[in-house]
Amino acid sequence: GAVVSQHPSRVICKSGTSVKIECRSLDFQATTMFWYRQFPKQSLMLMATSNEGSKATYEQGVEKDKFLINHASLTLSTLTVTSAHPEDSSFYICSANPGSPLGYTFGSGTRLTVV
Amino acid sequence: AQKITQTQPGMFVQEKEAVTLDCTYDTSDQSYGLFWYKQPSSGEMIFLIYQGSYDEQNATEGRYSLNFQKARKSANLVISASQLGDSAMYFCAMRANNAGNMLTFGGGTRLMVKP
Repeated sequence: GAVVSQHPSRVICKSGTSVKIECRSLDFQATTMFWYRQFPKQSLMLMATSNEGSKATYEQGVEKDKFLINHASLTLSTLTVTSAHPEDSSFYICSANPGSPLGYTFGSGTRLTVV
Repeated sequence: AQKITQTQPGMFVQEKEAVTLDCTYDTSDQSYGLFWYKQPSSGEMIFLIYQGSYDEQNATEGRYSLNFQKARKSANLVISASQLGDSAMYFCAMRANNAGNMLTFGGGTRLMVKP
């Protein structure tokens, strides 16, 4: 079946540094990738939608300059958390639709801890 | 705008019994899809079941069934014969076909199966 590979699964970084999260579609082409953030004991909130070859669409309240999204190819989308702060500590998860009406394949998620 | 409401933050069920997880939704779109996902503590999102807005029959997948009441805008998940491994977070989600294909998630229900 369709697989989205997400790396890293866990990352701890120092405050002020940047962290890159990668999501690769392994056996299908993902023209669109959805990026979600999930705080502890909360639901998934859509941050942005990345589109191959064009600018990402960000949800209201999400800082474009802080959460840089690049979708340079049909199989790779990246989210870079720039100048990370402890409040950015969260679970980040990506999702793509491989073309099935049932939708959506999710990455395994990245647990980011900023210290 | 789409909205998904899950009114049960936490539920207990005895092993081998059935349990219903509630989900109501709000959309002005006529064409939409409803999904249920299971999220164990590892964080992965596991697809359980799907119901299209034009489907006349309630969806079933093994021990999972979806009680779809379109007029009431509800899409409750029924898990029969609960197992200890069913303990997890459960999210109801909706895709409105005129809203960019992204999923909107409810707040989730934590299900705990008692031995």
